[in-house]
Amino acid sequence: QITLKESGPTLVKPTQTLTLTCTFSGFSLSTSGVSVGWIRQPPGKALEWLALIYWDDDKRYSPSLKSRLTITKDTSKNQVVLTMTNMGPVDTGTYYCARRRGTNSFDCWGQGALVTVSS
Amino acid sequence: EIVLTQSPGTLSLSPGERATLSCRASQSISSSYLAWYQQKPGQAPRLLIYGASSRATGIPDRFSGSGSGTDFTLTISRLEPEDFAVYYCQQYGSSPLFTFGPGTKVDIK
Repeated sequence: QITLKESGPTLVKPTQTLTLTCTFSGFSLSTSGVSVGWIRQPPGKALEWLALIYWDDDKRYSPSLKSRLTITKDTSKNQVVLTMTNMGPVDTGTYYCARRRGTNSFDCWGQGALVTVSS
Repeated sequence: EIVLTQSPGTLSLSPGERATLSCRASQSISSSYLAWYQQKPGQAPRLLIYGASSRATGIPDRFSGSGSGTDFTLTISRLEPEDFAVYYCQQYGSSPLFTFGPGTKVDIK
C-alpha cells in the first residue's frame, strides 16, 4: 500500500520561509523512473504544480516560483522536503505531495497540508 | 507555456445521466501527456485517466477519456451519487512541466 503524508507548519508569517516534509511508504525514490512532486491549491481555486524531484536527484521547478523553491530528498528516510522562501498571503492554500510514476501524471497523493500565511 | 481550458465551468446533471467534460489545450499535446483527476470537497485529487484514455487502477469503467491534439474529453457514462465532484485535466510538457486546467464542477441538478 502506497501512502504519502505532508507535514509542516499550519501558520507562517509573511516573509518567512515555509518548510514542508512529505513522508511516504510503499515505494522507493531510488527506483528508476519514480519521482515525487509538490502541488498546491489556494482555497476554492485550481491546482498548481510547484516542483518535482526524480529518483536520480534531478529537479524541476515551476518557472514562476523557481527563485523561491528548493526540493530535496532523503531516500533513507523516505522523505521529500520542499522549502518556499518569502511567503506571502497569496501562498495560502493546501499543499500536496504526490508520486509520479512515469505516466506523466500523479497516481498517489497525500492528504494535503493547509498552510495559512498571516501576521 | 501550454494553457488548458475546461468547459463547462459547472455541469448540473442528475444521477444516471451522461456527463461530457471538455479540456482544450492552447497547443497540440501528445495524448500520452494528458490526464484527468477527480477531487471531492476536503479530499486530495484522485487520478482517473492517464495517457488521455487509460483508466487508473481501480477506476470504474463508466469513466472514459478520449481525444487528441488540442481537444480532450472525459465522459462519465452514467453518473453515480459519488461522481459529483470537481474534475481537472492536466498536461505534461516542457515548461512548466505540469499544468492543470481550471476545473469543471459536476453538481446535482
